[in-house]
Amino acid sequence: GQQVMQIPQYQHVQEGEDFTTYCNSSTTLSNIQWYKQRPGGHPVFLIQLVKSGEVKKQKRLTFQFGEAKKNSSLHITATQTTDVGTYFCAVILNDYKLSFGAGTTVTVRA
Amino acid sequence: EPEVTQTPSHQVTQMGQEVILRCVPISNHLYFYWYRQILGQKVEFLVSFYNNEISEKSEIFDDQFSVERPDGSNFTLKIRSTKLEDSAMYFCASSGGPGHGYTFGSGTRLTVV
Repeated sequence: GQQVMQIPQYQHVQEGEDFTTYCNSSTTLSNIQWYKQRPGGHPVFLIQLVKSGEVKKQKRLTFQFGEAKKNSSLHITATQTTDVGTYFCAVILNDYKLSFGAGTTVTVRA
Repeated sequence: EPEVTQTPSHQVTQMGQEVILRCVPISNHLYFYWYRQILGQKVEFLVSFYNNEISEKSEIFDDQFSVERPDGSNFTLKIRSTKLEDSAMYFCASSGGPGHGYTFGSGTRLTVV
C-alpha cells in the first residue's frame, strides 16, 4: 500500500525557535491529513490538504502540500512547550482506510 | 465538542483469554475504525466498518479479531485468545465520511500477561 516517510523521526527544539517536519511519498497523493498526539494521548485531527501547492495556517502552524502532491510539510513558528507531542501525517488510501506515517516526535527545551 | 468514548481505559488480561473493547462513536458518523499503537510506534490500521459490515481490514486483523455493532451506538472489538504481542493501545475512531478527518477516542491500553 501507499507509504509515507516522515522526517525527522525526532525533533528537539529550543523554545521560541521554528522547526519543520516533512512527509514524503514516492507516489502522488490524493490528499494528506495531519494529526497531533500529545504524550499519553490520542491522535487529534489538525488539517487536511487536497490541492496541489495548498497552504493552510492554524495560528503558529503552517501546512503545505507540494506542487506534485508527493510531499507535505508542517512548519511551527516560535515553538512553545504546548507543541510537545508526535505529529503524524496520514494518507487516505480509499474510502475506508487512513494510513499513518511513523511520526515526528517533538520535544521542547525551555 | 462531540467525542468518541472508549471503555475500559485499561485492561489487563491473561494470555489466551478473550477481551472486548468498547467504543461509542460520534452519533452522526457512519464510518468506524479500530487502530492500534504499540508503545512508541506508529498508529496501525486494523479495520474499518461501514453500513454494518467490515469494509476493509489489515493483515493484522486475523481470525482472532472481530468487530460488531450490537446496537445503534456501540462498536466493539473482540480479541479471542489474546497473545502477549497483542499488548498495545487500541484506538477507536469515527468519521463523517470519505475525506473527513477522523475523531479518535482516548484509547484502551491492553496489557496481556
